[in-house]
Amino acid sequence: NAGVTQTPKFQVLKTGQSMTLQCAQDMNHEYMSWYRQDPGMGLRLIHYSVGAGITDQGEVPNGYNVSRSTTEDFPLRLLSAAPSQTSVYFCASSYRLDQPQHFGDGTRLSIL
Amino acid sequence: AQRVTQPEKLLSVFKGAPVELKCNYSYSGSPELFWYVQYSRQRLQLLLRHISRESIKGFTADLNKGETSFHLKKPFAQEEDSAMYYCALSGGSGGSNYKLTFGKGTLLTVNP
Repeated sequence: NAGVTQTPKFQVLKTGQSMTLQCAQDMNHEYMSWYRQDPGMGLRLIHYSVGAGITDQGEVPNGYNVSRSTTEDFPLRLLSAAPSQTSVYFCASSYRLDQPQHFGDGTRLSIL
Repeated sequence: AQRVTQPEKLLSVFKGAPVELKCNYSYSGSPELFWYVQYSRQRLQLLLRHISRESIKGFTADLNKGETSFHLKKPFAQEEDSAMYYCALSGGSGGSNYKLTFGKGTLLTVNP
């Protein structure tokens, strides 16, 4: 039982490059979300999804796109990376939002 | 709007001393409240939730609706309790408005 799997674990990008952070869960959870974790800022919600085909913006969505074509996968896309997007990114999932969240190990992303 | 406030960014105590991590929330309805913990270089994990009314690793948290607080307490801190602690609130008006909001976190250091 893998739980929530994030890839890659580390990534360095140049300003302007694009990339996709992958998130997959094998628990048949409907709710999935992406957070970024920055020192002194805690966890901030980027985008979330309440089911396949349904996504919505969180607190800090600018510069990020998401899609949810299957229940299992919820990739996060950076279309044109900026240094301000240097952060640790966490994916989480749960059956419902009022249920405990299961987190992935995180992706450390550096934008030069 | 829902909000979670953790007034202390850093908290340092000695081993064996009592510890209290503060969490205050702003929410008009009946919230679901959680404490998550992140040990060094590990993924975030659920510590406890108010609806369970249980003690995990010696920690307890009581929901005080009058003071809109959900403080985390442990009578005798251990060195292995050193970690980042996040208070989180789940609430909304239903459907896509339902959100999970995290506080900015408190870094607890337990000194020998």
